[in-house]
Formats: sequence, structure tokens, C-alpha cells
Amino acid sequence: DAGVIQSPRHEVTEMGQEVTLRCKPISGHNSLFWYRQTMMRGLELLIYFNNNVPIDDSGMPEDRFSAKMPNASFSTLKIQPSEPRDSAVYFCASSRMPGPVPYEQYFGPGTRLTVT
Amino acid sequence: AQSVTQLGSHVSVSEGALVLLRCNYSSSVPPYLFWYVQYPNQGLQLLLKYTSAATLVKGINGFEAEFKKSETSFHLTKPSAHMSDAAEYFCAVNDKTSGTYKYIFGTGTRLKVLA
Repeated sequence: DAGVIQSPRHEVTEMGQEVTLRCKPISGHNSLFWYRQTMMRGLELLIYFNNNVPIDDSGMPEDRFSAKMPNASFSTLKIQPSEPRDSAVYFCASSRMPGPVPYEQYFGPGTRLTVT
Repeated sequence: AQSVTQLGSHVSVSEGALVLLRCNYSSSVPPYLFWYVQYPNQGLQLLLKYTSAATLVKGINGFEAEFKKSETSFHLTKPSAHMSDAAEYFCAVNDKTSGTYKYIFGTGTRLKVLA
């Protein structure tokens, strides 16, 4: 199994630009999670999907952030416009729910975003 | 609301010494509990998980954790630290009664292993 795939692995962009992060979950998994990790705030859940439907987006910081899951094998997290405070590592994780408890999540390698 | 607390943001141990990383949860019902490890510049990898089948859970790389309901704890241990254990460790909880599949992560403990 290829695991969770994220692209790009590194992204450097200028303030005001649009940024799109991509995630391919593990085949057969039907839940997908987007996290953000920073030194100041640790690991934060931004949004999660179940069967391609957004279930909880309460962690999305503001309207500049949006996430989509058009099908079971692909999701995007978009930031428009980007700001320097968005600099962080963004992780995607997937799981099979309901499935074998206790709902183990598998993480991708992350995308390191730097906004200058 | 459920929460998880990791005591000690940094822990240093000598190579060969006991590793003890602390995790306490707050939940009205024993939740699902997990320990993840994150090596530098990598994603999180599952070390072990509490399934309620046994209170002592064995994971990868010689780690284990014991669920203690009376203490609402799920501390991670390893009898003998190895240099390769240097990483950041996260405890996470999922409240199985909440109807949500969300994890709540602790703030992490960075383990340093001294030669």
C-alpha cells in the first residue's frame, strides 16, 4: 500500500497568492482529515470528511481556507489569499470509518508551506 | 469535553535508561487512546492504540502503554532507550461516545536520548 500521498512536499509562495495542497488517501479509506502543525499551536484539526462529505470544519481558521473532496481518492486544501501566518506543516490523514475500532488514522508525510 | 494532557514538553533520558512519557485524558467514558511518534520532517506514525481488550498495550519498537482508568492515564514506556527513539511523541484521544471520529491530540513530548 502506498500510504497517504501529499503534494507538494514543500511550497514557498508570496503573500496574497493562492495555495493548493493535495492529498490522496489510502485506497478503501472513507474518512479524510486535514491538520495543521505549528510550533505555537501544535497539531490542529482543520476539517474532516466522511464519504466525501465535510462533517466538521470548525477548525478552519477563516474564510480564506477551503477544502474539497470531489471523490474518494482526492482532496484539496486551498488558501486564498495566503498570509505569512499560514506558514506551517499541513498533514492529511485517512481512516476507515466505521471500521475496525478504534478508528486508527494514517498520516501522510505533510506539506511544508512557507508564505513570505 | 474530552481533552488530553501530556506532562513535560521535553524529556531527556540516557541511552539504555527507562523512557516514561505521560498522558492523561479527560473523558466521562474511557475513550480510545493512541500514541503516535513523529520523526524530524516526517508525518505521524502510530505506535500503539488502546482497544479496551487489554490494559497493557504493546506497540512497535519496544514501546508499551498501560491504560489506568482510576488515574485516567495512558503513559508510554520503553525499558531501554535507544538513540533512534529521539523524536516527538503525541498522545491522542477519541471519545467513542461523542459520535465524532475526531482525535484530540496532546501538545507533544520531545524525547531526547543522550549518549
